Amino acid sequence: QQPVQSPQAVILREGEDAVINCSSSKALYSVHWYRQKHGEAPVFLMILLKGGEQKGHEKISASFNEKKQQSSLYLTASQLSYSGTYFCGTEGTHAGNMLTFGGGTRLMVKP
Amino acid sequence: NAGVTQTPKFQVLKTGQSMTLQCAQDMNHNSMYWYRQDPGMGLRLIYYSASEGTTDKGEVPNGYNVSRLNKREFSLRLESAAPSQTSVYFCASSEVRGINYGYTFGSGTRLTVV
Repeated sequence: QQPVQSPQAVILREGEDAVINCSSSKALYSVHWYRQKHGEAPVFLMILLKGGEQKGHEKISASFNEKKQQSSLYLTASQLSYSGTYFCGTEGTHAGNMLTFGGGTRLMVKP
Repeated sequence: NAGVTQTPKFQVLKTGQSMTLQCAQDMNHNSMYWYRQDPGMGLRLIYYSASEGTTDKGEVPNGYNVSRLNKREFSLRLESAAPSQTSVYFCASSEVRGINYGYTFGSGTRLTVV
């Protein structure tokens, strides 16, 4: 079951904030966030584990609501370099579950 | 600082031809994966290898086979290419489950089947 991301696209001016949401229909062990620029590979940003542990980019923040099976990525004081497509990847609670990726959120930051 | 290396970067095949996509990682990761990404879409898992010597099907395995040659290398084979397999293929690797489970992706192989 693919997680659902919202919004599908967002346009910001430099310095504005954005929130990207990821929602799953299954119980989760972890949520990952990745950014992909056009024509490039996805790049790991952050992982959030059930129980509260998290690790990632120092300028990125995110939350994980285990009960609601939802995660949000917070992009504050956006820069031009934040432009790209953001994907969440979710991992179920059963051992051996691989990441399932959402459809992506396109973010464009304009000067 | 190689990380995950994929070859080739681009390939055009005729329907029915076969080819193998190569992937190698130098991070001593146990797990490796093959994903495909269609235009404007997310990533879909084709096959994965949780550890050396094991491989398992993902979401879209039909038309593909894989080999985990050793801990470093994980190849993807298309036996008889079809136009529906036109896509960008990404190989990735990771540590085992836990806080260091973030995936490192290769730069991708852009495959066109005509």
